[in-house]
Amino acid sequence: GENVEQHPSTLSVQEGDSAVIKCTYSDSASNYFPWYKQELGKGPQLIIDIRSNVGEKKDQRIAVTLNKTAKHFSLHITETQPEDSAVYFCAGGSYIPTFGRGTSLIVHP
Amino acid sequence: DVKVTQSSRYLVKRTGEKVFLECVQDMDHENMFWYRQDPGLGLRLIYFSYDVKMKEKGDIPEGYSVSREKKERFSLILESASTNQTSMYLCASSPHEGYTFGSGTRLTVV
Repeated sequence: GENVEQHPSTLSVQEGDSAVIKCTYSDSASNYFPWYKQELGKGPQLIIDIRSNVGEKKDQRIAVTLNKTAKHFSLHITETQPEDSAVYFCAGGSYIPTFGRGTSLIVHP
Repeated sequence: DVKVTQSSRYLVKRTGEKVFLECVQDMDHENMFWYRQDPGLGLRLIYFSYDVKMKEKGDIPEGYSVSREKKERFSLILESASTNQTSMYLCASSPHEGYTFGSGTRLTVV
């Protein structure tokens, strides 16, 4: 089955800095890679996703990149704000995704 | 907006009790899922269903069962609750790709 590893487990940045979270996957057949944001007391929310036929996707301050050869994908958040503080999960797979263990992002004002 | 509603935010149950966690979605999604979330372990799949009355085991089905009698409702059942089932339980639905999660039920078994 798919194995997804996520790093770092904790990331602390100053407001305005960029943040990058990286994930690797094992199954070359995986073709869908979503990212979820979980705020305190809430369920995870899909924030961006990318499919295996695309190398990069952007949505305002967030972007995701995919390197199929190296089997890794990354979430990039620019101009971080305190409200970006949350736990972020990557996932990879085909029909049933496998989740990474999460990254706790802390943005200091 | 798709809504996934979990019936309880917090539950406290005694060891050995039979526990029902209910989940309802309002967007006619075929697929529904139950995960448990534990610190440092991320999200682990317990069971999922891709149609009414259909169910499939996930990665950690032991001690759990599920029921899907109607398309919009997916129930997780702890047959005999144990302390190691204390956790956050998340329900999700999906048309194919991309999940919509509920807010979760924090279950404590004492």
